[in-house]
Amino acid sequence: AQKITQTQPGMFVQEKEAVTLDCTYDTSDPSYGLFWYKQPSSGEMIFLIYQGSYDQQNATEGRYSLNFQKARKSANLVISASQLGDSAMYFCAMRGTRDDKIIFGKGTRLHILP
Amino acid sequence: NAGVTQTPKFRVLKTGQSMTLLCAQDMNHEYMYWYRQDPGMGLRLIHYSVGEGTTAKGEVPDGYNVSRLKKQNFLLGLESAAPSQTSVYFCASKRGGLDEQYFGPGTRLTVT
Repeated sequence: AQKITQTQPGMFVQEKEAVTLDCTYDTSDPSYGLFWYKQPSSGEMIFLIYQGSYDQQNATEGRYSLNFQKARKSANLVISASQLGDSAMYFCAMRGTRDDKIIFGKGTRLHILP
Repeated sequence: NAGVTQTPKFRVLKTGQSMTLLCAQDMNHEYMYWYRQDPGMGLRLIHYSVGEGTTAKGEVPDGYNVSRLKKQNFLLGLESAAPSQTSVYFCASKRGGLDEQYFGPGTRLTVT
């Protein structure tokens, strides 16, 4: 069975600092995809970044990068130069290839301090 | 292009009542999903569909039924609502493969 674990329920970070949100996963699928979503206080789900298990390089999207360590089964999200607008809930998600389920972790609430 | 829409946005039910939540997408996506979000639990997959006429169980399917009679619509039904089904329900769709999901705005359901 697939499993996503986010061990940080909440984090406080000073504005302009970099922040790393942890995500570990477990799957027996030979290939899979990993996603990060942001949920601000308004409630909508916003896609941030995607990493395929066979991608040779770590994914980057603007200030977001994904630190993918396949052997350790971790897919941490790194936000560089944090901004007040980054305060939100962040979810890690995974899709395997044996079925089409996409499962989510419990999330990390990030607070950016001015 | 409205993306993914959900109807209704809010609903209050009494225990034992039934209702149907409608999810509609205008992106011609094959895959559609229903999740529930509860505090401290993240998003949990209820049911999903990989194409018109198909449905499959997710992580927490009990108490819910779904139908995908048309490609653009995915219906979530509660036959006999229970207070444990008080939650925010999100629908999502995606084109296929390892594409990202597009989410609807959510439906806040309260069962008293």
